[in-house]
Amino acid sequence: DGGITQSPKYLFRKEGQNVTLSCEQNLNHDAMYWYRQDPGQGLRLIYYSQIVNDFQKGDIAEGYSVSREKKESFPLTVTSAQKNPTAFYLCASSLRDREYYEQYFGPGTRLTVT
Amino acid sequence: AQSVAQPEDQVNVAEGNPLTVKCTYSVSGNPYLFWYVQYPNRGLQFLLKYITGDNLVKGSYGFEAEFNKSQTSFHLKKPSALVSDSALYFCAVRGNAGNNRKLIWGLGTSLAVNP
Repeated sequence: DGGITQSPKYLFRKEGQNVTLSCEQNLNHDAMYWYRQDPGQGLRLIYYSQIVNDFQKGDIAEGYSVSREKKESFPLTVTSAQKNPTAFYLCASSLRDREYYEQYFGPGTRLTVT
Repeated sequence: AQSVAQPEDQVNVAEGNPLTVKCTYSVSGNPYLFWYVQYPNRGLQFLLKYITGDNLVKGSYGFEAEFNKSQTSFHLKKPSALVSDSALYFCAVRGNAGNNRKLIWGLGTSLAVNP
């Protein structure tokens, strides 16, 4: 069964703590993406990776970090420097980071920081 | 600069009636256009895309979209709406020229299909 998995579905943390969100894909896709979704704001790109061992900042990278050590995995760390971390986080992948390839999304992780 | 607009925050339609969710775009070079659907507390699901060729694109779950270059639009349509179509719909566009290669997302349109 191919697809993208994100874990956990819900995550609760205290302010000041770093937290890592998991994203795994078995689609053999080169490109992976992290988005943040807030009500009324659509999707905003945090980081993306075109290929293993490479990643670039998106539009709202401040307070976040990523790694891409394996093709299948693209974990996102929300650091204590992120001022408003409470949000719905979506991971996606595509065959290549090219204009004509669609993205496939995981089920999302809802992070609540209090 | 690239942009995409979904002019309606919400669309209401009766079950069995045709539905349209609107999307207009601005991009340099050739546009690559996508529609996605999101059910509550779920990830997005790809519906269809326009790359080139026939202006009418057919996708999943009976949805289709019409690319109109002169009006820079890519409206999503379905001939007969189902209650289960109620969801949040996102349009996205990507160009292929210069710095306009980033995928740009609309803010979404909430579709409510009433029984």
